[in-house]
Order: sequence, then C-alpha cells, then structure tokens
Amino acid sequence: QSVVTQPPSASGSPGQRVTISCSGSSFNIGSNHVYWYQHLPGTAPKLLIDRSSQRPSGVPARFSGSKSGSSASLAISGLRSEDEADYYCATWDDSLSGVVFGGGTKLTVL
Amino acid sequence: QVHLVQSGSELKKPGASLKLSCKASGYILTSEVMNWVRQAPGQGPEWMGWINTKTGTPTYAQGFTGRFVFSLDTSVNTAYLQISGLKSEDTAIYYCARGGKYLSDGSAYPKFDYWGLGTLVTVSS
Repeated sequence: QSVVTQPPSASGSPGQRVTISCSGSSFNIGSNHVYWYQHLPGTAPKLLIDRSSQRPSGVPARFSGSKSGSSASLAISGLRSEDEADYYCATWDDSLSGVVFGGGTKLTVL
Repeated sequence: QVHLVQSGSELKKPGASLKLSCKASGYILTSEVMNWVRQAPGQGPEWMGWINTKTGTPTYAQGFTGRFVFSLDTSVNTAYLQISGLKSEDTAIYYCARGGKYLSDGSAYPKFDYWGLGTLVTVSS
C-alpha cells in the first residue's frame, strides 16, 4: 500500500476534462512538490508535471497540475484518445526519506 | 537527444543473481543522478534508490538494502543494477530514470526527466 493514494481508474469522453487526484499526508505532499508521470504501455514513462504545477517543455497546455494541502491533482482538458495511459504521482516523503509513488490511475478515453 | 537503453528481459530461478544495465546516450552519465524504479505486476512504481554518478555513491530506499547494488561504468556511460538471491517477489519491470536532486538537508526533488523502457525480470522455478 502506497502512502500516497490515487483512484485506480478514471474516464472521460473526447473533449471532456478529467481530474486525477493524489492524496497524501503532511510528511509527503503536504511539505514537498508533486511530480506527475504519464505511462503508455510499451513506452518509457514521461514527466508530465514538475514541481506540482509546472509543465516541462513539450507538454501540452491541456495538462495542468495543482496542489492544496496534502493533496494534488492532475487535470487534462480537451481529452484525446492518445491520452489513454496510466498516470502516476510521485513526491518525497520526509518520514521515509524516500520517493513515493501513487498506485497509478488508468485513464480510459471513452 | 537523451536515451536510456536498458538490457533485455531476464528469466531466472530463485536464488540466482543478475546484473541489469542502463546505457545513457545523448549526455554524459556523470552529469545527472540516476535512479532505479521497480514496478511489480499490477502495482505502482517503487523507488529503489539513486546513485550519485559523480562519486559512485549509492543510496538505497527502505526495502532495497542487502541484495541490491547500484554501480557505474563511466567509461561506457552505463549504470548497473545487480540483484542477488532472487525471489519470486522480485518479478517486476525495472526502470532506470535520470534526474532528481537529493540534498544534504534531507530534502529531495524527484524530477525524473528521462526513463528507460524497462527490463522485465521474471523469477520462477
């Protein structure tokens, strides 16, 4: 069981907006930045959101990240079929002195 | 262009050892930290730790001490993960992932900007 929790699945129709949550505690999300990764089967995971809300170069503006207290969210607007992937949040945990990943959210584009 | 090319799939018996490689191209290995991440079937990723590529000093996450060894060969721009005493629960995909800052005050920024495709390790009798 990960110390940061994500819903196992999410879905939306093309063009819609979906949000994926990542819930933690004061030891991790509450005091550290959150990073989001997109993983399409058979490919290398890709950094999607840096430092909770920053998009690395090349990441479309449709992807956005936010953090409030001990929770973080990834929002994807204008959903496209190619967004169908697994999404993981990651952060540093001060009590474990380690990086912790969420269990992942499988996004289905209907 | 940065690439991390990982070695091929492995099928091993319990108790055996293996050494996985992660060859970096498009940048100098010693310019960035390297991490190892394990993902067991149906599970989220697990961070195994990181290696300071300038000094060769490894740091292992909880649960990854004893049987796991990170190493480097800077002459071929390659990082390695050795696992000994393999167990069935080591069956997973193992990724190398570049990047992150690990500071002396205990804080860290796990920004992994490039990942390999992963190496599937199956441990079965």
